[in-house]
Amino acid sequence: NAGVTQTPKFQVLKTGQSMTLQCAQDMNHEYMSWYRQDPGMGLRLIHYSVGAGITDQGEVPNGYNVSRSTTEDFPLRLLSAAPSQTSVYFCASRDTVLQQYFGPGTRLTVL
Amino acid sequence: TQLLEQSPQFLSIQEGENLTVYCNSSSVFSSLQWYRQEPGEGPVLLVTVVTGGEVKKLKRLTFQFGDARKDSSLHITAAQTGDTGLYLCAGEAGFQKLVFGTGTRLLVSP
Repeated sequence: NAGVTQTPKFQVLKTGQSMTLQCAQDMNHEYMSWYRQDPGMGLRLIHYSVGAGITDQGEVPNGYNVSRSTTEDFPLRLLSAAPSQTSVYFCASRDTVLQQYFGPGTRLTVL
Repeated sequence: TQLLEQSPQFLSIQEGENLTVYCNSSSVFSSLQWYRQEPGEGPVLLVTVVTGGEVKKLKRLTFQFGDARKDSSLHITAAQTGDTGLYLCAGEAGFQKLVFGTGTRLLVSP
């Protein structure tokens, strides 16, 4: 039981490049979400999904796309990276009693 | 936008001291959670409180949810170096949405 896994752990992009942050969970949780963490601002919700085929926007969705084709996977796509997207990104999944499990994070730098 | 303010932002103490971290908001939350995060890792859930006035104890950690469900506190008794980390509160703000606080960074020195 690996819990929530994220790849890559570190990534450096140039402005305008695109990439996908991968997230997978093996706990059969319906609810998954993506957060970004910036100094002094806590974690902010980017997008979330309540099940396969269903996604919705969080607090800071601009510049990010998501899809949920399976229960296990919830990738986050940056279409055209900007320096403002430099951050640490966390994926999380949650069971039915609000017990939330976070992945180890992806540290992204956009030059 | 619902905000959760944590205080203090940073706390540096000696092993054996007691401390309290506060999490305050003008909004009402149906439940509130506390997490601890260590460098290079994701946050790990410590506790969830759901009832106004509720007090939960986890060994040397005591969590309290305010009567009006707008604020919470975390008290650590006899802090240890292993308590070092970033403490985050998070309030349930509607269906399946958590709003996170700004965080309190705790450093416990031997």
